Amino acid sequence: GENVEQHPSTLSVQEGDSAVIKCTYSDSASNYFPWYKQELGKRPQLIIDIRSNVGEKKDQRIAVTLNKTAKHFSLHITETQPEDSAVYFCAASPSRDSSYKLIFGSGTRLLVRP
Amino acid sequence: SQTIHQWPATLVQPVGSPLSLECTVEGTSNPNLYWYRQAAGRGLQLLFYSVGIGQISSEVPQNLSASRPQDRQFILSSKKLLLSDSGFYLCAWSFNYEQYFGPGTRLTVT
Repeated sequence: GENVEQHPSTLSVQEGDSAVIKCTYSDSASNYFPWYKQELGKRPQLIIDIRSNVGEKKDQRIAVTLNKTAKHFSLHITETQPEDSAVYFCAASPSRDSSYKLIFGSGTRLLVRP
Repeated sequence: SQTIHQWPATLVQPVGSPLSLECTVEGTSNPNLYWYRQAAGRGLQLLFYSVGIGQISSEVPQNLSASRPQDRQFILSSKKLLLSDSGFYLCAWSFNYEQYFGPGTRLTVT
């Protein structure tokens, strides 16, 4: 089955710097790649996603890139702010049916230092 | 707009006791529904998913079961809880690819 690996497990950056989180997936049939942000004690929130027919997507300070050949995708956060501090999860959808199930990476704890 | 509810919000149960967690979705029809478990400080493990009433797929063999008695209701159950069942249980719904999570139930098995 699908396996998603996420790196790094922790990331500390200075406010205003950029942060990059990387994920790799194993199933070449995966076609949907979302990113979630989870604050302490809260539910994961969908922040951005990308489909396999697109190489890059941007939404204000966050962007996601996808390399289907290498089977990896990345989250880029520019001009980081303290409120960006949270755990970020990547996921891949290996569905060949209508389940649209997601397999998640292990998460990256991002700390933005003021 | 769509809303997803879970209850209870927190639960403390002794080992060997039964469990029933409920999830309901409002504002959509025939959603896909999912149960995840998140151990403390860990990632999201998909437990069950359902594409329709009475249709349940299990991802990980374990001490839990799921049921979908109505279109927008998803229930997670156990006959006898284990210590290892402790965690943050999240229900999610999707219509197509995007998944949205409920507020979760924090379960502590003592």
